[in-house]
Parts: sequence; C-alpha cells; structure tokens
Amino acid sequence: DAKTTQPTSMDCAEGRAANLPCNHSTISGNEYVYWYRQIHSQGPQYIIHGLKNNETNEMASLIITEDRKSSTLILPHATLRDTAVYYCIVRGVSSNTGKLIFGQGTTLQVKP
Amino acid sequence: DTAVSQTPKYLVTQMGNDKSIKCEQNLGHDTMYWYKQDSKKFLKIMFSYNNKELIINETVPNRFSPKSPDKAHLNLHINSLELGDSAVYFCASSRTGQGNEQYFGPGTRLTVT
Repeated sequence: DAKTTQPTSMDCAEGRAANLPCNHSTISGNEYVYWYRQIHSQGPQYIIHGLKNNETNEMASLIITEDRKSSTLILPHATLRDTAVYYCIVRGVSSNTGKLIFGQGTTLQVKP
Repeated sequence: DTAVSQTPKYLVTQMGNDKSIKCEQNLGHDTMYWYKQDSKKFLKIMFSYNNKELIINETVPNRFSPKSPDKAHLNLHINSLELGDSAVYFCASSRTGQGNEQYFGPGTRLTVT
C-alpha cells in the first residue's frame, strides 16, 4: 500500500470549510484513498473513500487530483465537534485483508 | 444500539497476569480486527479474522492470542502481561470485499503496572 504524507496540524475557524490535504505520489491505479478520523479517546470513524472521481457524502467531500497523486478532504462547515486527528490512508483494491495502515494524521483544531 | 462494543473499557492489572478483552459486533460483518494504539498515538493492526479464520497476524508476540467463537465475536487474550503492553486496544469490523469501511469499537485502555 502506498505511503501518504499529511501536515501534522491545522486550524480552522468554526463555520468555515476545513480543507485537509494528503499526498500519495506513489499511489497505483488500483488503490483507493480512505479518510478516517479519531476524536479524542474514541475509536476511529470512517469518513469517505474514493478511487478516481470526487466523492461526497453527508460528512465530507473528497477531491482527488487527476493524476491521483494527492487529495483533499473538505469539511464544508466545520464545527467544534470536528476537532480530531484525520487520517488519509491508501489501500489496494487487491488487498483482501482489509488492513488499514495509519500514519500520524493531521490534528485539526476547530476554533470558535 | 452499539455497533461494535468492547469490554472492559478500562483494565488495570499487574505484570505477569493473564487477561482478556472481549469484542462483539451486531452489524452482520464477517471480518473483525484488533488494533493497538500506543502512547505515541500510533494505531497499528494486530490481527484480522474473516469468518472465524485468522488472515492477518502482524508480528505480534505469541502471548497475544485472538479467539473467534463466532462471526460476531473476536476476543483478545493476553498472557504474561508486560509493561509494554499498556495501550489502547481497538476492535473493528467490516464486510469482506474492497472498499468496505471498518467500524471501530470505543477502545479498551489497558494499563499494566
């Protein structure tokens, strides 16, 4: 599975959009991009995933560049409850183990 | 209803003891996992079971033994506990197949003294 690089930390004002970048320059054609988050002391929570096309669900949007070497998770209207560590994970479609490899993630602090 | 539950939430024990952590999921998933989060907050996969069969064992000491009595349960037994075993242990589950998200339990904080 390809390695990902994320900023260590970011701040966002409450009510504004939070844009969390992720670099995955060695991603291969059959690898998905996943985003999870971990709110303090809780279990990780799935947010969204995608392969090539941009994706949107009730929690967030995922924008994947055309070359697939980077992506951005967008929380359209961040709230204080979105303060968490956000993990960008790349996993191969051929991987049948389901293993998720977590990096250090980005600590997002949403401020009033 | 809690999708993935773990018991106990906190576990404090002495070195050398044997302990178990239980995990249950009511999502009808056929794959379950154990992850360990150490003091530096790194989350790492330990085991994965699919339909009660072990499919991942990530170089975990053999003092750790997962047991899956049925598809809804994956328990973690730890023998001869050591100080370095102190961590938060998370159970997770998913459906088999690509692109299936994992649902995590609330975690069990194990402290070995």
